[in-house]
Parts: sequence; C-alpha cells; structure tokens
Amino acid sequence: GAVVSQHPSWVICKSGTSVKIECRSLDFQATTMFWYRQFPKQSLMLMATSNEGSKATYEQGVEKDKFLINHASLTLSTLTVTSAHPEDSSFYICSARALLTVGKTQYFGPGTRLLVL
Amino acid sequence: KQEVTQIPAALSVPEGENLVLNCSFTDSAIYNLQWFRQDPGKGLTSLLLIQSSQREQTSGRLNASLDKSSGRSTLYIAASQPGDSATYLCASKSTDSWGKLQFGAGTQVVVTP
Repeated sequence: GAVVSQHPSWVICKSGTSVKIECRSLDFQATTMFWYRQFPKQSLMLMATSNEGSKATYEQGVEKDKFLINHASLTLSTLTVTSAHPEDSSFYICSARALLTVGKTQYFGPGTRLLVL
Repeated sequence: KQEVTQIPAALSVPEGENLVLNCSFTDSAIYNLQWFRQDPGKGLTSLLLIQSSQREQTSGRLNASLDKSSGRSTLYIAASQPGDSATYLCASKSTDSWGKLQFGAGTQVVVTP
C-alpha cells in the first residue's frame, strides 16, 4: 500500500517550452502533496506544498508563476514548469501525505528527471 | 531555521563491515527524525522513523538512535552488503505531525565485494 507514482520518469525539452509532471497517490487519499527539487549531490529542497482544492504554498525563493501547481483531486497533483530554462534541469520528487495515518506519514514518488536543452 | 547536516558525504567500506552514518540537526525541538535510502536516479524509501520521545528504532540489520539534547542521530547498518550501496538521507520533522521535513544532503555509501 501507500504507493505514489510520477509521470513521466524523465523528460527532455527545449528551452522556452513548458513541461507538466504528474504525481498520483495510487491507493490512498492525499489531501496534501509536496514538491521537492534535488540537484546532483545535494539534498531535497521543498518547493511547495499543495492542499487539495486550494492554492499551493510556495517556499521562499520559488517562483510561483514559473512552477505552477494544481491539486485538483485527492489523488492527483501536477507541477508545470513554464518557459523552462537549462537551470531548471533537476530531479523533481513529489510526496503525498496520507490523512488517515498516525504521524501524517509522507510517501515519496520515484522522481522525474528533467533536462532542459 | 532547522539545519540538517550529514557527515561524511561519502563512505566506502568492504563487505561485512558495519556502517555508521551520522546526522546532526541544529534545533532540538523536532517531532520525529526519519532515515531514507535513495538509489541513483530514484525516489526515497523510508527505512526508520524515530519519534522525539524515542531513543532508537531497529529493523533487521538497521538501527537508528536519536539524541535530541545533542542534536544527533546515528544510523547503524550491521554486516554491510553490496546491496546496501546507496545514498542515505536523514530528515527531521519540525514541531508536530503536520510539520515540514528538513533533509540533510545525504551520505553516499559504497560497499565493495
């Protein structure tokens, strides 16, 4: 149980285009989802927290107009990188928090590697 | 702001040796601390979670300790195997069960046959 999937697993795009990444909780309802970014040899950095049906909360320094997050249902959140540039190349990991568990455990997806040329 | 540090950044041991991975955090007011494993290009797998009221957790060959007063957690892996090669991340959760996870940069472990 408690599986989180991401699609696509990797994507290559041209500079200036937009890329959408999906995050799904497969067997549980997730009222909250988190989006992280990880650069090589570095830690996971929280980008934003999204609650189903409301606007996402972005961490300081993360451009909300560039990284659009939609959490339209209890099992799906999407991250759209708009007008992507090479510096946006990174490993993006989502995490879903199951509401009905002790300690509000977060479950992590397998990640999406984005390469912007 | 909570800062989580992991030392060493990389570690290489021969198969069979015990592994000791260190994690330190600056703010002792944590809700819990969690250890994860990350394989190259993959997501995170939760290994152990220690609540702030606990001193240690064990799962098979893995044992994690927590000393809030000194701001430290240690992950021990007994009798290492090549399959243990991965990056190990620790993360502290602040304040309460709704708190955010603050990750360390990880320790990259290589276990040689």
